[in-house]
Parts: sequence; C-alpha cells; structure tokens
Amino acid sequence: NAGVTQTPKFQVLKTGQSMTLQCAQDMNHEYMSWYRQDPGMGLRLIHYSVGAGITDQGEVPNGYNVSRSTTEDFPLRLLSAAPSQTSVYFCASSYVRAPGNTIYFGEGSWLTVV
Amino acid sequence: QQQVKQSPQSLIVQKGGISIINCAYENTAFDYFPWYQQFPGKGPALLIAIRPDVSEKKEGRFTISFNKSAKQFSLHIMDSQPGDSATYFCAASVFGNEKLTFGTGTRLTIIP
Repeated sequence: NAGVTQTPKFQVLKTGQSMTLQCAQDMNHEYMSWYRQDPGMGLRLIHYSVGAGITDQGEVPNGYNVSRSTTEDFPLRLLSAAPSQTSVYFCASSYVRAPGNTIYFGEGSWLTVV
Repeated sequence: QQQVKQSPQSLIVQKGGISIINCAYENTAFDYFPWYQQFPGKGPALLIAIRPDVSEKKEGRFTISFNKSAKQFSLHIMDSQPGDSATYFCAASVFGNEKLTFGTGTRLTIIP
C-alpha cells in the first residue's frame, strides 16, 4: 500500500517556467488537497478536491492550477513560476465526511525557483 | 488572518520531562482539533485528535487538553524521549469538512 505518492521529490525551476507536481493515492479517497509549507507559516491550503471533476480554491491559490480527472490523481500546476513559490509542497488525501477522519500526507516536493 | 495560533515556536526539553505545546483558535465553528507530527524530510502524520465534547484525550504518552470557553487546546508529551524530537502542528477544522487550518508549528528537541 503506497499511500500518497508525490513526484518529483526535488525540483529547481527558473522564473517564468511552468511545471506540474504529481500526486497519486491508492486508498480510494474522495478528498485530495495541496498544501505549501513555509518557515514560520505552517501549512497553507492551495487547492482541494472532493471528488473527480470537482476542485476548489484554498487559502493561497494564486499562481497554481489543479484538475481532478480521476479519483487517484491530483496534479498541481505552476503556470509561471516565481521565487515566492519556493516552498515545500504536500499533497494530502482522506475519505470525505467520515467520523474520525484521518488526512494522509505525502512526503513532500521541495521546489526552488531561481 | 491567522485563525490558529501556536506557541512556542521552538522547545527544548530534557529526556523524561514533559513537553507542552499550546494552540488558540478564533473560529467558533471549529469542532475538530488534530495534532500532527512531522519528522525532517517527511510529511505530517496524524498523532492524536480531539473533539470539543471532551476536555481531555490521552493516547499513551500523548494527551490533548481542550478548553472550549478559552478556545485553547494543548498537547502534552509525558516522559519525553529523543525519538519525539520533531515538528508538531496543531490544526482545526469543522468536523466532516476536510479543510484543515494549521498552526505555525513547534520544533521540539529532546536532549539527553
């Protein structure tokens, strides 16, 4: 059971480049989300999805795009990378509205924009 | 607007001591309060969680204390061990709504 898998683990981008962070889960979870983690700021929600074909914005969505074509995958796209997007990105998943819900996180993707 | 405030930012505790991390929230709609533990290079993992119908929840050496009137909750780690050295995040959400609002994290170091 792989859980939540993120790729790549590390990436360096030049300002203005675009890229996609991949996220896949094998737990048949309806809910998937992306957070970014910055020093002193905790984890902030970027985008989330409650099922295939349904996405919504979180706290810090600007500069990012998502889609959810399957239950398993939830890619995060950086449209035109900026140094302010240098961060650690975490994908997470869970069942929806289940009592005592546990949200499972991937191991993170370290992104540096130069 | 920071809806969940966490303190301290860092904490050093001797082995065998009690580690205490505090969080305060503003949104009275929050009714689910998990704590996450994160080791370097890893993603956060759920440690323990509480709902406001109880004032305390204990799992092994980890205890959450909850004060609904003060809108505060805290994590206590008894008999702290070097393996507990990690970053701890408190979080809050509306139960059944999976959007978590996180605190800023506490880096805990347990020294021999």
